[in-house]
Order: sequence, then C-alpha cells, then structure tokens
Amino acid sequence: ETGVTQTPRHLVMGMTNKKSLKCEQHLGHNAMYWYKQSAKKPLELMFVYNFKEQTENNSVPSRFSPECPNSSHLFLHLHTLQPEDSALYLCASSPEAVTYNTQYFGPGTRLTVL
Amino acid sequence: AQTVTQSQPEMSVQEAETVTLSCTYDTSESDYYLFWYKQPPSRQMILVIRQEAYKQQNATENRFSVNFQKAAKSFSLKISDSQLGDAAMYFCAYWARDDKIIFGKGTRLHILP
Repeated sequence: ETGVTQTPRHLVMGMTNKKSLKCEQHLGHNAMYWYKQSAKKPLELMFVYNFKEQTENNSVPSRFSPECPNSSHLFLHLHTLQPEDSALYLCASSPEAVTYNTQYFGPGTRLTVL
Repeated sequence: AQTVTQSQPEMSVQEAETVTLSCTYDTSESDYYLFWYKQPPSRQMILVIRQEAYKQQNATENRFSVNFQKAAKSFSLKISDSQLGDAAMYFCAYWARDDKIIFGKGTRLHILP
C-alpha cells in the first residue's frame, strides 16, 4: 500500500486499556493530521503537525496524545478512553500545513471502545 | 465561527445523468480555499476539486465542476455523466489562512444503474 498507511485498521479496546494508532506517509510530505470521523457528524480535525512541530490542537481531551517523531510518522496514543470516543480515526498528510495544499488521507482506524 | 453546511444528507442519481451537491459556508474572511473530497465505501478519502476564493472562474476537473458564488457563500459540486464509481460520501471543506480546515457533514451519493 502506497501513500498514507494506517495501522491497525480495526481496534477494540476497553476503557482502561492503553493503545496506539500509527500513521505513515510515503509521499515526502511535511505536514500530518489526525481527524475523528463519527457517524452523522462533520469530520473533526484533532491535531496538526508541520515539520514535526504541533501547530494545532483542537481542544482534544488529554486522553488522546499525539506524537510525531519525524515527518513520515505520526502516532496517536490512547488511554482511559470513553465509549463516545468510538469512531473512525483518519490520518492525512500534505506537503505543508497551508490552505492551498491537498491533503492525502489514509484508510483510517476503526476504533471501538467498550 | 466558520461553519460548513451540506443540506442534503443523501442523494440519488441515475447513471449517466447529472447531479448537483450543495454546500454553503459562513465566514468573514476573504482569503480561503474550498474543497470537495470524496470518500468511497471502505476506501480512502480523496480530493475531487478545489477552488481558491480569489478566483472567479469556477474550477473543473473532467466530469466534476463547481458553481462558486462568493457573495452567496455557496460552493456546489456538479457531477456530469454520473458513473457507478461516483457512489460515495462527498464532503465539502473550507480552509482559511491562519485557521483550521472545517468539513461539512457530508452527502451520501447513490448511483442508480
């Protein structure tokens, strides 16, 4: 799979578990994004990294912790989640975090919190 | 706060016909971009078309075109000669400089054979 990959594709976890979502882009981009996609709600931007620096935190609860060790990899560390956190989590990348850049999305991780 | 509204949760169109998906947005900015993204079932979201607010000419990409009415804050997507592969969720998005990208709730498009 080329472009933007995400692992795992599906994840079921209990509220006391700790897990991590991984995103990798093979496009040479410098900006990476985490989105939450819930049913019947707009896609919600969670975090933005531009050249490995976090430039956007859209009031996301601290139980979600992002990490961007380099421009190609992005992680979302999860702990003590709530059932309402169940959603599709999408990763995206773009050349830079500017308005005119197209974002390239990964296939998403379907998260279920029990 | 900026908002993006897609008033049609679902639409259906006969194969080979033309369909228009609507999108309106609210902003006080003058410099921004508008996007239509497509999310096919169980497949990755991809960009369909984008429009810079400063450009009066409507963007076109093959069978996809937009009707951008800046004063009315309207950004509709027209799909001509609809094909089965056009079946997907379509998201309208707005992104202004020094602001975050905002998506609408999406319109699910069904193509009837």
